[in-house]
Order: sequence, then structure tokens, then C-alpha cells
Amino acid sequence: DAKTTQPPSMDCAEGRAANLPCNHSTISGNEYVYWYRQIHSQGPQYIIHGLKNNETNEMASLIITEDRKSSTLILPHATLRDTAVYYCIVRVAGGNRDDKIIFGKGTRLHILP
Amino acid sequence: KAGVTQTPRYLIKTRGQQVTLSCSPISGHRSVSWYQQTPGQGLQFLFEYFSETQRNKGNFPGRFSGRQFSNSRSEMNVSTLELGDSALYLCASSRAWGAKNIQYFGAGTRLSVL
Repeated sequence: DAKTTQPPSMDCAEGRAANLPCNHSTISGNEYVYWYRQIHSQGPQYIIHGLKNNETNEMASLIITEDRKSSTLILPHATLRDTAVYYCIVRVAGGNRDDKIIFGKGTRLHILP
Repeated sequence: KAGVTQTPRYLIKTRGQQVTLSCSPISGHRSVSWYQQTPGQGLQFLFEYFSETQRNKGNFPGRFSGRQFSNSRSEMNVSTLELGDSALYLCASSRAWGAKNIQYFGAGTRLSVL
């Protein structure tokens, strides 16, 4: 079972910030939140990950709520090339035989020109 | 730095045959994971190898197997192919085993079983 819940699709105007929500209400204290995206028929691309604090890199920002039950991926200035399926997943920290990465159905983000 | 390389990119087999897919991880990465992606089931975890040992396994039948070599390269094998095995098979590598290590994916091998 996927441990995360995401809306199936979202639209965003080109040049605007895209805010993709993810619910992970059963997350444990030692589970990381990871975001990947997949452009049609390519391998998933790593975007960002975090444990407790908000994170930012050259691609995006990750905002994790204080109770860690949800997070938001922010693409600050969306372009047409950001059209993809975005996956939010949680992973148990440390080597663990239960760390089976479970990808849900993700959010299909459409960037509108 | 070269990314994860999967070969071949495309493959066509017939039912009952077996197939071997190859994955070369990013230089310095010692962990390799395999995934199957189909339109119906999405991305599903197959198994993960680290230091030539299988560390983790998904819920797939024994027809799916893998191995990792001392240079961290990995192969996965599917025996007695079924039509339902048609999928995109993805390999991901990371520096080590566990959630603190980012997995980087290859472009995948698209297998068609006729």
C-alpha cells in the first residue's frame, strides 16, 4: 500500500509557482520524504528529499509541516519542461529490510502555456 | 560523471523465453535497485543489492532474480516469460543501502513479450 496520497492531476500556468501537495499522515519519525518526477517513458528523476526541516535546491523547495503529516513540493517558476508525473514517497532511514520503496500513482502536472 | 546505464534499451521476446537485463551504476555507487513499471500497476520495487548481496526484495515470483557483481554492476533475469512481464524495467543506483542515500534512475529497458 502506498503510504502517501497525492491528487491525480494539477494544472499550473507557465511562469507561476507550482505547489504539489502530498499527504503522509502515517509517517514515522525516521522516515524521509522524497520527491521524484517522471517525464513520459523516461526513468524517474530525483528532485529533493527531507526529514524534518524544509529543504531547497536548484530545482525545487520542499515544505514539511511541523507534524510531518504532509508536505508540499514547490517549483518556483514552472516551465513547459516541468510537465511530468510527480511522485512523493516515504522511506525508512537506515538499512532496513522493510524499506521497500513504494511509488503511488503520483500527480500528473500539466504546465499551461 | 556518467549516469546509470541500462542495456539493452529495447527487447522483444516470446512467451516461455528467458531474458537478462544489465545495469551499470554511477561510478562509486554500490547499491543497485530494480523496478518494474506497467500502466496498470505503476512502479513496483523488485529487489535491491548492495555489496553483491540482496538486501531487500519486493513481492514478485521466483521467476524474477538478480545478482550483483564485485564491480557493482547488476543483472536481473526473468525466466519463463509471460505476456504480463511486458514492462519498463528500471534500475537505480545509490552510494549505499538505505533511505539516506538518494537513488538515481537509468532510462530503463522496455521489454515486450509476444
